[in-house]
Amino acid sequence: DIQMTQSPSSLSASVGDRVTISCRASQSIINYLNWYQQKPGKAPKLLIYAASTLQTGVPSRFSGIGSGTDFTLTIGSLQPEDSATYYCQQSHSSFLSFGGGTRVEIK
Amino acid sequence: EVQLVESGGGLVQPGGSLRLSCAASGFTFRYFWMSWVRQAPGKGLEWVANIKQDGSEKYSVDSVKGRFTISRDNAKNSLYLQMNSLRAEDTAVYYCAREEYCSGTTCYGVKYFDYWGQGTLVTVSS
Repeated sequence: DIQMTQSPSSLSASVGDRVTISCRASQSIINYLNWYQQKPGKAPKLLIYAASTLQTGVPSRFSGIGSGTDFTLTIGSLQPEDSATYYCQQSHSSFLSFGGGTRVEIK
Repeated sequence: EVQLVESGGGLVQPGGSLRLSCAASGFTFRYFWMSWVRQAPGKGLEWVANIKQDGSEKYSVDSVKGRFTISRDNAKNSLYLQMNSLRAEDTAVYYCAREEYCSGTTCYGVKYFDYWGQGTLVTVSS
């Protein structure tokens, strides 16, 4: 099975800051990597698929990059509504898996 | 509008059984793979199982193999999860999610969860 490791597990940043979240796969997943945002009590929301393709309706301050085993989600200018937990997820294997999550707090 | 509505959650004793349902609307259900994803209280997301459009292929995480069975009824636009031999560690919110495939040249074959239900809580406790 493919293990997904996110770092950091949590971070605190100010409005307007640039925030980066890392995700590493235990083996190459090419670009079969997706990112989700989840707010408390809500279902996850798709942000980015195939490592770098922005889902329709997602603000352009979100971006993704990476291939193989290392991937990054960037929030270009953090906004108050971005306070949430972010998850990466691989779909290279038939057995899907998520990273452990990164909680983003606003200072 | 795509909608996924889960039902069937509740309190069950260890060793008991429960059947979750997910009613789909707003899209052609029989065209899509479907998944169950769960989230234990205060924890991260865990993919549980998925099923192909016609039910001919199914996959599940090791921790539920032999205990949980995913199924679907395309005539009723419904997804199910039969959960047997439940354990305390199965306590979670269970989401159903639609799997979409990317069709672009740079992302062909990549699949992702584009729609999610609101979730149903399963509590396993004596």
